[in-house]
Amino acid sequence: DTEVTQTPKHLVMGMTNKKSLKCEQHMGHRAMYWYKQKAKKPPELMFVYSYEKLSINESVPSRFSPECPNSSLLNLHLHALQPEDSALYLCASSHPTGSQYFGPGTRLLVL
Amino acid sequence: GESVGLHLPTLSVQEGDNSIINCAYSNSASDYFIWYKQESGKGPQFIIDIRSNMDKRQGQRVTVLLNKTVKHLSLQIAATQPGDSAVYFCAETPGTASKLTFGTGTRLQVTL
Repeated sequence: DTEVTQTPKHLVMGMTNKKSLKCEQHMGHRAMYWYKQKAKKPPELMFVYSYEKLSINESVPSRFSPECPNSSLLNLHLHALQPEDSALYLCASSHPTGSQYFGPGTRLLVL
Repeated sequence: GESVGLHLPTLSVQEGDNSIINCAYSNSASDYFIWYKQESGKGPQFIIDIRSNMDKRQGQRVTVLLNKTVKHLSLQIAATQPGDSAVYFCAETPGTASKLTFGTGTRLQVTL
């Protein structure tokens, strides 16, 4: 099973809202990632969790707050987003050494 | 590894022909090289990977070639099908729970 699941598939939120994106994998991977992808561009790394600890933050604004409750789950909490944050948000997972597998993404629209 | 512009290079091939998608990478320290397929509105789908100690790896209808001397990676798709139409990204990583650096992507269009 090489499946990473993400919910919701689509999300529309206002600039004052608080929402969360969720990601789950059951492949036993101990590294999980959040990426942001704008139209016609490659994904850009936001955060890396390794063994449930935040190991990389690519200078992401604090209005994005990641959380890794356990080895299978990864959340991204959103607060006070801007319209330019509208994008496809992708979760990925991997073994600590190995290739990353992506979920289907959450398409976010900030109004 | 930064993408440039909004215009994706496009490769058009006829159904049944072989496709070759090329990619140049920049980091000599990368250990894993990966090809992803991304269809419209979907997340990148893992196709095949290759480690830096190999120069060729084959999967089902796909072959990845790695030339470390010139830092070049290619994906060959045999007997291309309409379902292969998508954007293809190469990516490199040191492989230790680290950042994937993506190429700019190539759009593959399969014509009937």
